[in-house]
Amino acid sequence: DTGVSQDPRHKITKRGQNVTFRCDPISEHNRLYWYRQTLGQGPEFLTYFQNEAQLEKSRLLSDRFSAERPKGSFSTLEIQRTEQGDSAMYLCASSLSERDFQETQYFGPGTRLLVL
Amino acid sequence: AQSVAQPEDQVNVAEGNPLTVKCTYSVSGNPYLFWYVQYPNRGLQFLLKYITGDNLVKGSYGFEAEFNKSQTSFHLKKPSALVSDSALYFCAVREGSARQLTFGSGTQLTVLP
Repeated sequence: DTGVSQDPRHKITKRGQNVTFRCDPISEHNRLYWYRQTLGQGPEFLTYFQNEAQLEKSRLLSDRFSAERPKGSFSTLEIQRTEQGDSAMYLCASSLSERDFQETQYFGPGTRLLVL
Repeated sequence: AQSVAQPEDQVNVAEGNPLTVKCTYSVSGNPYLFWYVQYPNRGLQFLLKYITGDNLVKGSYGFEAEFNKSQTSFHLKKPSALVSDSALYFCAVREGSARQLTFGSGTQLTVLP
């Protein structure tokens, strides 16, 4: 399977704990995106990378959230001191920026986080 | 700022009948429009996109969408619905040089046998 993969698929944690999610994009894709989806809503943009550079962050991305893409391949999203409001599906997407206006984002299966 | 509205939370249609899932958008520049489908506990699967050119866009699984600039709409259509089309459908827009997608709240499509 050459699609976007995410690990873990499910995570249950207690409030105050730190969690880290991983995303592996489609191999030739140089852009990587993180979105958050809460129940009954569409995904909301969090941040994106072009290669290893984090180029944009949403105001939704509080100081407790940090994302990295150290070698321009896989990415990690860490949430520190989790709160119950962080419970959501975290989606990763990747794309190829070869022709910007033609760009299509392809999504992974998501990581569902439940904070107790 | 870019925004998307999906006015119907739920659409029910009988198998074999045509289906339409509505989407309207708001952008200040040129819109790039997308439809994605989401099955339970899964990520989003790309269906089709409008970038430029022909207003009728054909995508995966027999779906198509019509871009209407004057009505700022991008409705998803299929001539003959299947039970397996039952899922959550999201419309999304990207404006000009923006990178992120802005999604609507989704429409749950149920195709009844």
